[in-house]
Parts: sequence; C-alpha cells; structure tokens
Amino acid sequence: QLVESGGGVARPGESQRLSCEASGFTFDDYGMSWVRQSPGKGLEWVAGIDWTGVTSDYADSVKGRFTISRDNARNSLYLQMRSLRAEDTALYYCVRGGFLGPSDYWGQGALVTVSS
Amino acid sequence: LPVLTQPPSASALLGASIKLTCTLSSDHSTYSIEWYQQRPGRSPQYIMKIHSDGSLTKGDGIPDRFMGSRSGADRYLTLSNLQSDDEADYYCGESHTIDGQVGYVFGSGTKVSVL
Repeated sequence: QLVESGGGVARPGESQRLSCEASGFTFDDYGMSWVRQSPGKGLEWVAGIDWTGVTSDYADSVKGRFTISRDNARNSLYLQMRSLRAEDTALYYCVRGGFLGPSDYWGQGALVTVSS
Repeated sequence: LPVLTQPPSASALLGASIKLTCTLSSDHSTYSIEWYQQRPGRSPQYIMKIHSDGSLTKGDGIPDRFMGSRSGADRYLTLSNLQSDDEADYYCGESHTIDGQVGYVFGSGTKVSVL
C-alpha cells in the first residue's frame, strides 16, 4: 500500500512537500517514482529514485525545482517541490518502480493546486 | 526522448475483442514497454510488461483475457471478451536511459469504450 500526503493549494513561487508511506512490501528492495496527472490529461513521469536513494533523475519540466528523496528506515518517499507554477497543478501519484522498472503499484494520489 | 504513440480512442461491443496499439519511435523500436489501465476516477493499475523478446510479465490479478504482443515497433494489448468494467484509459510506458539519465515516458493514452 502507498499512501500520499501533503497536497493542497499553493501560490505560484511557493514550495510544497509530498510524502508517501509504503507498507506491505520490502521498501528498500525497490526504486520509487512520482507520476503526475493534470486534470483531464495523461500521465507524466516526474522523478524517480533508486533503492539506495543515491541515484535519482527528473523530467525536464521539473529539473532544478523538485527533489525526490527517500528514508528507507521510515519506508517513506518524498517530493520537495519549489518554485511552483500553475502548470504543476496535478494529482501526484507515489509509484513503486518506474525507475528502470515497471510502475507496478500506485497510491491514490495527492492533489496539488497552484493558483494565485 | 522516446515517443510512444497511441490512438486517442477505441471501441468495441460487449463480449468482443479489441486490440490497442502503442507505437515506439524508431530509435526505441526494440524496447520493452508496460501497459496500464486507469478506470474513471481511479489510480492507474499495472497490467503487464512486454519484454524486448516478446515475453510477458503480468501484474497481480490480471485476467488471462488480457494479452500482450509485439510486431516491429508496435506493441499491442488485446482485451478479449470485453466487459463493461474494461471501460478505461489505457496507457503504455517505457523506461529508458539516455546519456546516463534515467527517465520514463508514457503514451498519451487510449480511451476504450464498451458498446
């Protein structure tokens, strides 16, 4: 199970942090990702991180603004979002895999709305 | 970046079969891809991976009437004996490494209607 938290409304330029708590599997056996979906639109991979937390990568649309991290001791994944823009408005899914592997389990999503 | 092309919509009768297509860009035509189903208002669900050799790895609980195949740059998801519950958006996706950068790209999705 993957449970996201931390979404909400932010103004352009502000920051927000998403968290994802994992259970039911050995968290540090898997790479993890964040995938977002803007209202009425398709899926966009945002960022991924390997099982160690050492290697991560980002979509060009968020590179330099978002940071993915994990705490294996807490079975948790994070997404720190800075300099938010209106186009970052989306439902953000925590995903098992998606970093050199299939995205085989998805959370229910956390809604982030960026609006002035 | 790789491009995965999907037709925007497809439809078939209840109980019939439907074949969805995901076309990889020419420079990624041998890559493995995954298929996902997203029912209205729900999170996406992993269906299967079509490996570069054509073998399949299905997700948990995916019925046998969901089958994957490939031909050249095309990857297919065939749904047999269509059920009303199969009405959903279907996405393909591909993991890749380019110049040492890991990424993942999704197709734009195909909306399936069951008539």
